Amino acid sequence: DAGVTQSPTHLIKTRGQHVTLRCSPISGHKSVSWYQQVLGQGPQFIFQYYEKEERGRGNFPDRFSARQFPNYSSELNVNALLLGDSALYLCASSKSPTLSYNEQFFGPGTRLTVL
Amino acid sequence: AQSVTQLGSHVSVSEGALVLLRCNYSSSVPPYLFWYVQYPNQGLQLLLKYTTGATLVKGINGFEAEFKKSETSFHLTKPSAHMSDAAEYFCAAFLQGNKLVFGAGTILRVKS
Repeated sequence: DAGVTQSPTHLIKTRGQHVTLRCSPISGHKSVSWYQQVLGQGPQFIFQYYEKEERGRGNFPDRFSARQFPNYSSELNVNALLLGDSALYLCASSKSPTLSYNEQFFGPGTRLTVL
Repeated sequence: AQSVTQLGSHVSVSEGALVLLRCNYSSSVPPYLFWYVQYPNQGLQLLLKYTTGATLVKGINGFEAEFKKSETSFHLTKPSAHMSDAAEYFCAAFLQGNKLVFGAGTILRVKS
């Protein structure tokens, strides 16, 4: 079975632009979470979606938004990009909406560079 | 504030030596705890997790971790390091509702 897939692998944008990152969960997984990993730091939770509904949100500005589609794939959108948005964006999928003890499976990430 | 702290951003060991990566959490209630490994240009892979029950948890690739409530710690160990263990390791905990909070990571270097 395929793991969590993310596209694109790398992306270069300029300040002020908009970006859309995509994630396909493992087959059968209905929960998708997004994380931002800035160089030299651990991942930080951005959003969790389960069956198209937002189930959790981290401390990120409103420039960050996400949605989940009927096939459980997900998009993360970031508007008005800042230099500080440069990071590795990780997507993780899980079977259950309760993440506390259910394992999350991570994708390889999308490396976003903002110039 | 609730947090996860990893002591030492870089750890270097010789091949065959003991690996010890330290993790402490800050929470009044013992959380569920995890260790993840990240190889270059790859996503995170779960090594092991502690939820309830036995405080010594065994994971993949010979790693294990012990939950010590009195010390609010969850240190990761491996008796004998292998070159393939070189990677970045992250400790994580569920501290704030349905959110996984990660430490800053420890880069493990294994010398031949």
